[in-house]
Amino acid sequence: DGGITQSPKYLFRKEGQNVTLSCEQNLNHDAMYWYRQDPGQGLRLIYYSQIVNDFQKGDIAEGYSVSREKKESFPLTVTSAQKNPTAFYLCASSIDLDRVANSPLHFGNGTRLTVT
Amino acid sequence: DAKTTQPPSMDCAEGRAANLPCNHSTISGNEYVYWYRQIHSQGPQYIIHGLKNNETNEMASLIITEDRKSSTLILPHATLRDTAVYYCIAGLLYNQGGKLIFGQGTELSVKP
Repeated sequence: DGGITQSPKYLFRKEGQNVTLSCEQNLNHDAMYWYRQDPGQGLRLIYYSQIVNDFQKGDIAEGYSVSREKKESFPLTVTSAQKNPTAFYLCASSIDLDRVANSPLHFGNGTRLTVT
Repeated sequence: DAKTTQPPSMDCAEGRAANLPCNHSTISGNEYVYWYRQIHSQGPQYIIHGLKNNETNEMASLIITEDRKSSTLILPHATLRDTAVYYCIAGLLYNQGGKLIFGQGTELSVKP
């Protein structure tokens, strides 16, 4: 089955450590996204990438970094500069929007990061 | 992007139709209406989307008013597994200069 895989589901880190969250998709989608969700709140966009080797900052990119070396993969690094890193992180993808203008986002099942 | 307004919570009896309203009175002519749902501790699941016309798929129906200022998601025969937070979003995707804003949604509880 095609889909988006995020791993691990739960992640624990000590304050001051960088941590990388994995996101892999086998849907052959061009665009990929990272969102953050805090309790009782909606989703906020961190970074997105429309094509390999290119990505753009979202609304809350400070303290995060990404790479897009392969079409299938869009890892997110939460750096020690992120002041409130504990959250639920969601990865999503969508078809090349130049071909399908209204293509919806498809989400993975998230990684819950706890930093103490 | 158009801001949407949804009731914070709704109840529905199992087997009955669940009608979830959404107001998007500032929607632009080229902005779509998307519906997603999220079950606790999982990623949002895409349900349906539309521009002007009513849409139906295997999960739900989407009714958009003629002036496009509001819409209703209909789950025709709600089951306990439909209990989730439902998000209505009006907007464009990123390469069209827009972004999809997920608000707080409607928490639907389907009861036996």
